[in-house]
Amino acid sequence: AQKVTQAQTEISVVEKEDVTLDCVYETRDTTYYLFWYKQPPSGELVFLIRRNSFDEQNEISGRYSWNFQKSTSSFNFTITASQVVDSAVYFCALSIAGYSSASKIIFGSGTRLSIRP
Amino acid sequence: KAGVTQTPRYLIKTRGQQVTLSCSPISGHRSVSWYQQTPGQGLQFLFEYFSETQRNKGNFPGRFSGRQFSNSRSEMNVSTLELGDSALYLCASSVNTGELFFGEGSRLTVL
Repeated sequence: AQKVTQAQTEISVVEKEDVTLDCVYETRDTTYYLFWYKQPPSGELVFLIRRNSFDEQNEISGRYSWNFQKSTSSFNFTITASQVVDSAVYFCALSIAGYSSASKIIFGSGTRLSIRP
Repeated sequence: KAGVTQTPRYLIKTRGQQVTLSCSPISGHRSVSWYQQTPGQGLQFLFEYFSETQRNKGNFPGRFSGRQFSNSRSEMNVSTLELGDSALYLCASSVNTGELFFGEGSRLTVL
């Protein structure tokens, strides 16, 4: 069975600090996708990144970076020099490749990130 | 291009009533899925529609139903509302379910 664990329920940091959100996943499949979504107070989940299981290269997008390590089944998300606008709930998700159905996307429980000015 | 549009954004109902929520997907997206989000249960998959056919259904009672129209717009209905149905209902559309594109949700409060 697939599972996504976001052990950090809430994180609070002061603006400009770096913060890492942890995501640990479980799957027996060798081909899968991992995602991160951001949910600001407005409600919609905003897609941030998709990574397939064969691509372990870290990715950087501005202040955001993602560290994918298959050896530890982790897909961690780091925000550098955090800003108040980064305050949101962040979800990590897993889907098995080849299953083109939303029902096969497993979401973690989310991490609420608060950035204090 | 326009994102996923959900209406209404907020609504208040009383127990026993029924509610219909609407979702207009991104143009060209034929897959629409619905999720219920509550503080205690997180994001839970309700159902998914593709080309007017329900493709999958989550573990929810029959009071929860939905449909998709030929223009890919989707509606979900909850009958005989219960207090526990209070939640944020999110709709997402996709081309071929890699990335899901979500609307802002409909926040339902049942009194």
